[in-house]
Amino acid sequence: GESVGLHLPTLSVQEGDNSIINCAYSNSASDYFIWYKQESGKGPQFIIDIRSNMDKRQGQRVTVLLNKTVKHLSLQIAATQPGDSAVYFCAENSGGSNYKLTFGKGTLLTVNP
Amino acid sequence: DGGITQSPKYLFRKEGQNVTLSCEQNLNHDAMYWYRQDPGQGLRLIYYSQIVNDFQKGDIAEGYSVSREKKESFPLTVTSAQKNPTAFYLCASSTGQGWGTEAFFGQGTRLTVV
Repeated sequence: GESVGLHLPTLSVQEGDNSIINCAYSNSASDYFIWYKQESGKGPQFIIDIRSNMDKRQGQRVTVLLNKTVKHLSLQIAATQPGDSAVYFCAENSGGSNYKLTFGKGTLLTVNP
Repeated sequence: DGGITQSPKYLFRKEGQNVTLSCEQNLNHDAMYWYRQDPGQGLRLIYYSQIVNDFQKGDIAEGYSVSREKKESFPLTVTSAQKNPTAFYLCASSTGQGWGTEAFFGQGTRLTVV
């Protein structure tokens, strides 16, 4: 079936380095994507979103890239900090009247001091 | 403060019992959702509601029931028919309008069957 998945289940980086978290999606009808951050024992927090009419969107220290040709999404975190350590999920929404979000399994990011 | 409140934070249930998880939002959102999260897994959709007095099954609705009598409330009942209810349950809401709709999450309820 169609789903959202992640290439890497874990990612370990040094403090100050840039992090890149990847996500593959297979639903060609998806037109809205979100990255969430989830700290242990808490609910997911919105980081950044992107719509399918865009290739790139920047936030504070974060950038999301969308490659519709290969159905690939990535989250780049600049100057990674220990507080960035968490599980990161990508989610997709196929739009229209469908309000459901489909989530990937997540990537655990660990930032080493 | 505006947001989504889930209660309780921790819940213990004996086998064969039904339990109800509370979710309240004061964001004036039309759409509300319930997700289940198992260790090391992503979020799976249980039920969602786009408007008061209406709700739809998600991907894993068996053994669960919901109601949406008020816009701000979307309680989830885990029934005895749910064979493996131990999990982290997350409630979310969104405006449900327009192209693309960000969901805001509560802090979750951890349910354990004892």
